[in-house]
Order: sequence, then C-alpha cells, then structure tokens
Amino acid sequence: KAGVTQTPRYLIKTRGQQVTLSCSPISGHRSVSWYQQTPGQGLQFLFEYFSETQRNKGNFPGRFSGRQFSNSRSEMNVSTLELGDSALYLCASSDGTGGAKDGYTFGSGTRLTVV
Amino acid sequence: GENVEQHPSTLSVQEGDSAVIKCTYSDSASNYFPWYKQELGKRPQLIIDIRSNVGEKKDQRIAVTLNKTAKHFSLHITETQPEDSAVYFCAATPNAGGTSYGKLTFGQGTILTVHP
Repeated sequence: KAGVTQTPRYLIKTRGQQVTLSCSPISGHRSVSWYQQTPGQGLQFLFEYFSETQRNKGNFPGRFSGRQFSNSRSEMNVSTLELGDSALYLCASSDGTGGAKDGYTFGSGTRLTVV
Repeated sequence: GENVEQHPSTLSVQEGDSAVIKCTYSDSASNYFPWYKQELGKRPQLIIDIRSNVGEKKDQRIAVTLNKTAKHFSLHITETQPEDSAVYFCAATPNAGGTSYGKLTFGQGTILTVHP
C-alpha cells in the first residue's frame, strides 16, 4: 500500500509569514498526528486528527493549527512564523482506534526554514 | 504526562558486536512501545514494537524487552552491520484513548555508529 505523503518537502519562509503543510495518510487510516523535530527538542507532538476532529493537542502555541478533511488528508498551518519554528515537520498515520494495529507510520517530512 | 528517558545518547561499536539502547518511562498507563530508526535526512521508520502484554519480541537481529514493573524497555541489536548506523528513538504511549490518542512520547535518540 502507498505510504504517507507529505508536501512540500522543503520550504523557506520569512519571519512573520504563514505556512501550510499537507499530509496524506495511508489508505484506510483515519488518524493523522503531527510532530515537530528539532536538534534541541527532539520529536514533539503537535496534535492529532481523527475523522476531521482534533482529538489531542500538544503544548504548542495557538499559532500552530491544523485540520483534517473527509478523505483523511490533513493540513497544518503555522502563522506569524518565528525563527524558532525552523524544523522538520513530520506527520504519522495510524488506524486511530487506539489499539494501533498498524502502529504509526511516518511521512518523509517537510523541512521548514524560517529566515 | 509521559516522560521518556533514553540512554546512551551516542553509541559506537565494531561491526559484529551487539548494541543495547535503554529507555525508561514514567506513565504506568503506557502500553505500546515502538522503536524507530532514522537515517540522515530520512523519515523515522518503525523497526520493532512491543505491547505491554509481552515481555520480549524478536525480529531477526533485533529484539526488544519490556519490564513493566521497572518501567523500562530496551532495544538489542546483534551482529551489527555498518548499515545499522543511524539515530534510534524509543517511544511510549498509553494508546488507550482520551488524551493519549495519536501521541507518542519520544526519547531523545541514540546515535549509533557501527565501524567496519
């Protein structure tokens, strides 16, 4: 089956701008989780969506938001970008039942650089 | 919330040796423990996972052990090869609903280098 697809792979944005990242999960998976990966903080959970509803949220400011569409594709948005938002943003796909039958499969990520 | 500590942060071994990476977790409700391998510039890939109803799981050269009483789990790689060189992350989650949905708490990672 096709893997998790994230677009774009790379982005360069200026401070103060906003950005939208996209994630298409594995076919049949209804849960999409988002993570921020930085050298200093490691992998940190942003939020999780299931059936178009946010079920869980990490400790990030309100500038970070997301949504999920009826086809399970998810987008995350970061507004008023700061230099510290530079990171690899990863999404993970799962069946979302809590039993994690298939585990969590990660996409290749979007590398965001804020200048 | 859950907190996962991973040791060591770097590990250097000779080809053919064994490598062991250890993680401890804080939330006794955690019941799913995956391990991911991340090569430079690539996505984290699940290499093995274990659920709380078993104490050990093996897949060829890789094994994971879990001690729920002590709240720690370990990754064991035998007969290491240069292509095993990567960053390895452990993670934990209650995975049982509520605020645990979709949330893996990761360790800080271990940089494994296998010298030929």
